[in-house]
Amino acid sequence: GEDVEQSLFLSVREGDSSVINCTYTDSSSTYLYWYKQEPGAGLQLLTYIFSNMDMKQDQRLTVLLNKKDKHLSLRIADTQTGDSAIYFCAPSPSGYSTLTFGKGTMLLVSP
Amino acid sequence: DGGITQSPKYLFRKEGQNVTLSCEQNLNHDAMYWYRQDPGQGLRLIYYSQIVNDFQKGDIAEGYSVSREKKESFPLTVTSAQKNPTAFYLCASLLGTADSNQPQHFGDGTRLSIL
Repeated sequence: GEDVEQSLFLSVREGDSSVINCTYTDSSSTYLYWYKQEPGAGLQLLTYIFSNMDMKQDQRLTVLLNKKDKHLSLRIADTQTGDSAIYFCAPSPSGYSTLTFGKGTMLLVSP
Repeated sequence: DGGITQSPKYLFRKEGQNVTLSCEQNLNHDAMYWYRQDPGQGLRLIYYSQIVNDFQKGDIAEGYSVSREKKESFPLTVTSAQKNPTAFYLCASLLGTADSNQPQHFGDGTRLSIL
């Protein structure tokens, strides 16, 4: 099955850029999602990328996909304290299938 | 407003007791999922259902049971056989259209603790 790895913790200063990395093993993953979880809450879909794309930009968020290396990254520009949360990478072989989640990266943004 | 409702938000279980967590969605989604979240463990899939009256085991189904009698409801029972039930439980749903990408949508979770 799919194995997903993320670094567990990232600390940045407000206004800096944050880059959260993810590696996965299943080359058939077609859709790759990023979710955000604030304390005590459910998961909120942030963005996603199709496997036939290299990059997707959505306001302050940029997703980069290196399909050959099975590496996905999420860049948050001008990081704000409200961005402090846990971020999950979740590849899926199709939109109808189950997701495999990484352990999540806790982003801490200091003023 | 459409969404996924999980209840209760907090639940306490005594030793040897079964408890049921509720998950209801009014999004007309076909598929529903239950995940367990432990600190530092990410999300692990317990059960999922792609259609009414049918469900499949996920990675950690032992000690849990589900039913899917209605499209909008997918309750999870944590049985006494689950020896370490303390966790945050998340329910999700998915439209299930095969022709387009549809992400999973999540409820706000139920935190279960042992008394």
